[in-house]
Amino acid sequence: DAKTTQPPSMDCAEGRAANLPCNHSTISGNEYVYWYRQIHSQGPQYIIHGLKNNETNEMASLIITEDRKSSTLILPHATLRDTAVYYCIVISHGNKLVFGAGTILRVKS
Amino acid sequence: SAVISQKPSRDICQRGTSLTIQCQVDSQVTMMFWYRQQPGQSLTLIATANQGSEATYESGFVIDKFPISRPNLTFSTLTVSNMSPEDSSIYLCSGTGGNTQYFGPGTRLTVL
Repeated sequence: DAKTTQPPSMDCAEGRAANLPCNHSTISGNEYVYWYRQIHSQGPQYIIHGLKNNETNEMASLIITEDRKSSTLILPHATLRDTAVYYCIVISHGNKLVFGAGTILRVKS
Repeated sequence: SAVISQKPSRDICQRGTSLTIQCQVDSQVTMMFWYRQQPGQSLTLIATANQGSEATYESGFVIDKFPISRPNLTFSTLTVSNMSPEDSSIYLCSGTGGNTQYFGPGTRLTVL
């Protein structure tokens, strides 16, 4: 599976949009981009995934560049409860998740 | 989505003893996994739990230390054997429903 690069940490003001970037320049054609988050002392929570089209659900939006070499997870109105470690993972279906270090997102009031 | 529960949620154990962690999924899942998360670290995959057969272990993990069972599609156990303080971690169970992997809340293990 391809590797990803994420910034180690980011800050965001409460109520503003949080934009979390992820680089995956070696992604292959059958690999999806998945995002998970882990709030302190809890198991990872699935957020969203996509192949090449932009995706939106009740939690977030996922924007994937046309060349698929990078993506951005958008939390439209961040709250204090969104403070967590966010993991971007590229994987083909049927394979197991391998976690990197992720991005620590701190939402501040 | 799949809802995954684990027992116990936490435990404090003496070195040299063993602990078995149970994982229950509320629906059938195709694949089940066990992860370890050491303090301040990301998750590391221990093994894939295979129904009715031996688990598939990742590099650095062995069956004698982490025996795993999966008797059916919704239940698995992980045993941490002959524990030492270095085994103090959070152990997480995971299952795949559809194309998404879901996680349990974790078992926080402290070894004294």
